[in-house]
Amino acid sequence: GIQVEQSPPDLILQEGANSTLRCNFSDSVNNLQWFHQNPWGQLINLFYIPSGTKQNGRLSATTVATERYSLLYISSSQTTDSGVYFCAVNTGGFKTIFGAGTRLFVKA
Amino acid sequence: SQTIHQWPATLVQPVGSPLSLECTVEGTSNPNLYWYRQAAGRGLQLLFYSVGIGQISSEVPQNLSASRPQDRQFILSSKKLLLSDSGFYLCAWEGQDTQYFGPGTRLTVL
Repeated sequence: GIQVEQSPPDLILQEGANSTLRCNFSDSVNNLQWFHQNPWGQLINLFYIPSGTKQNGRLSATTVATERYSLLYISSSQTTDSGVYFCAVNTGGFKTIFGAGTRLFVKA
Repeated sequence: SQTIHQWPATLVQPVGSPLSLECTVEGTSNPNLYWYRQAAGRGLQLLFYSVGIGQISSEVPQNLSASRPQDRQFILSSKKLLLSDSGFYLCAWEGQDTQYFGPGTRLTVL
């Protein structure tokens, strides 16, 4: 089956810093999403981005489907950005495959 | 607007005891529903999905089962819990292009 690899596994930032999270996938996908899981466990969808670039406030994402990777950019990080960021892909059908996540801690 | 509920929020159960976790969705009809498990520090593993009442597909063979007795109700069950069943259980419904997750149930099997 498709493999989803996220890097880095852990990231510590000073408040105000920028960061880039990466997601590599091993096969063509119909759907790619980025999620944020807050420290209380709630998962929130950030982007639906099978290709191209999207921006939402301080967050933006780019997926290069032909090269099988996606990037999530966080600018001017805040302590509330802490948590785990997951990349999730779907190759068709009902099964969504999640990466292992990037754990982010933003220091005040 | 659509909302998704899960209960209980936390649960501590002895090995060998039964399990029933409930998920309900409001504000949408005939949604695709999903059960995931997240082990500590890990990603999400799909356990079951359902496209309609009484229709359940299992992704991982194990001692868990799922049922969908009503359109917007999804239940995860076990007859006898194992230590390895501990984890964070998340229910989700599928909207356009994405899945919306409930608040989760944290299960500890002792």
